[in-house]
Amino acid sequence: DVKVTQSSRYLVKRTGEKVFLECVQDMDHENMFWYRQDPGLGLRLIYFSYDVKMKEKGDIPEGYSVSREKKERFSLILESASTNQTSMYLCASSRPTLAKNIQYFGAGTRLSVL
Amino acid sequence: AQKITQTQPGMFVQEKEAVTLDCTYDTSDPSYGLFWYKQPSSGEMIFLIYQGSYDQQNATEGRYSLNFQKARKSANLVISASQLGDSAMYFCAMRMGQHQGAQKLVFGQGTRLTINP
Repeated sequence: DVKVTQSSRYLVKRTGEKVFLECVQDMDHENMFWYRQDPGLGLRLIYFSYDVKMKEKGDIPEGYSVSREKKERFSLILESASTNQTSMYLCASSRPTLAKNIQYFGAGTRLSVL
Repeated sequence: AQKITQTQPGMFVQEKEAVTLDCTYDTSDPSYGLFWYKQPSSGEMIFLIYQGSYDQQNATEGRYSLNFQKARKSANLVISASQLGDSAMYFCAMRMGQHQGAQKLVFGQGTRLTINP
């Protein structure tokens, strides 16, 4: 089975802190994604990556950056956390097919910024 | 712009009844894919079913089927013989086109389904 692991289920940080959310997948997938999930808004794409050291902005990249130094690991970075970044963060991975490219998700990290 | 709309924030259904979750989409691209995911209270998104825009038949996976009406731009999820374990949040999503950026999915707002015993 595909396994996408997010390092923390729950995280509490203070305003202004630098926050790292880590995601690791074990299926050698080229694509990796970071979403945030807010009630009534569904999932919104923050950043995604097609390959190592490659990244592209999603729909809401402001206030975030990412790092992909190894194929299996995709990190989301909040350079200076703010209260409006309190949310559920979901990581996903997929193969680069153009048809049924199912995205496999981790269990999510619920981040609270105080 | 591509968009997915789920108009039912919440639904309550009796156990063993069939349930239909609505999803409409908007895209000008002739090639696209539609997905349904389930999110239990544990938080993990679970893939349920996929429909390609050129697929001739409606997709089915066990108790899940997708009622694909291309002209109406709708892709409703049908769950037959609902079970208590079906209680979860359900998301409809769309893959856009066949270019490299088509790796991305656009998600709807979600529908919270509650199955009553």
